[in-house]
Amino acid sequence: GQQVMQIPQYQHVQEGEDFTTYCNSSTTLSNIQWYKQRPGGHPVFLIQLVKSGEVKKQKRLTFQFGEAKKNSSLHITATQTTDVGTYFCAGPHDYKLSFGAGTTVTVRA
Amino acid sequence: DAGVTQSPTHLIKTRGQQVTLRCSPKSGHDTVSWYQQALGQGPQFIFQYYEEEERQRGNFPDRFSGHQFPNYSSELNVNALLLGDSALYLCASSSRLAWGWHTDTQYFGPGTRLTVL
Repeated sequence: GQQVMQIPQYQHVQEGEDFTTYCNSSTTLSNIQWYKQRPGGHPVFLIQLVKSGEVKKQKRLTFQFGEAKKNSSLHITATQTTDVGTYFCAGPHDYKLSFGAGTTVTVRA
Repeated sequence: DAGVTQSPTHLIKTRGQQVTLRCSPKSGHDTVSWYQQALGQGPQFIFQYYEEEERQRGNFPDRFSGHQFPNYSSELNVNALLLGDSALYLCASSSRLAWGWHTDTQYFGPGTRLTVL
């Protein structure tokens, strides 16, 4: 079956620094979605990427979909304390959304 | 515009008991999916309901069952609870009208935290 894997599992970042989290699928995806879950909260949709090589930006967040549509990345610049949380990528397979285990981000002020 | 709502917020049960969790989808949505999220893990797909029928199912035993009502709200039932069923249960809604080739965005509710003792 399809697996969606994310690395790293944990990311400890100094406030103001940049970081990238990666998502890899064992199969080609029709699209990939990213969600953010704050501590104690529920996943909140961030973005969906559909096209091969697609790049989308949301303020300090840059999302990229790989050319082969099997991997994706999320790059955050100038990390702020509001970026704290767990970022999940999710890809569909047979109409079921498969989530990665997430990258949990903590920020040092 | 109400988002996805779930009840109860928290629940404590003992092994062997049965539990029912409830979900009301976001206004305008007709598809409800249920997920189990264990601590430190990503959400795991349980099943999806559309037009009052189970359409897709993940790798969960038959102890997990559900229902969707004509108003699109849904219930998740878990029988013979095990300690390992302790988790956050998330309901997500989407609109099947926009299904097409793409999986539609999931709008998650706040979840029900189930503790099995």
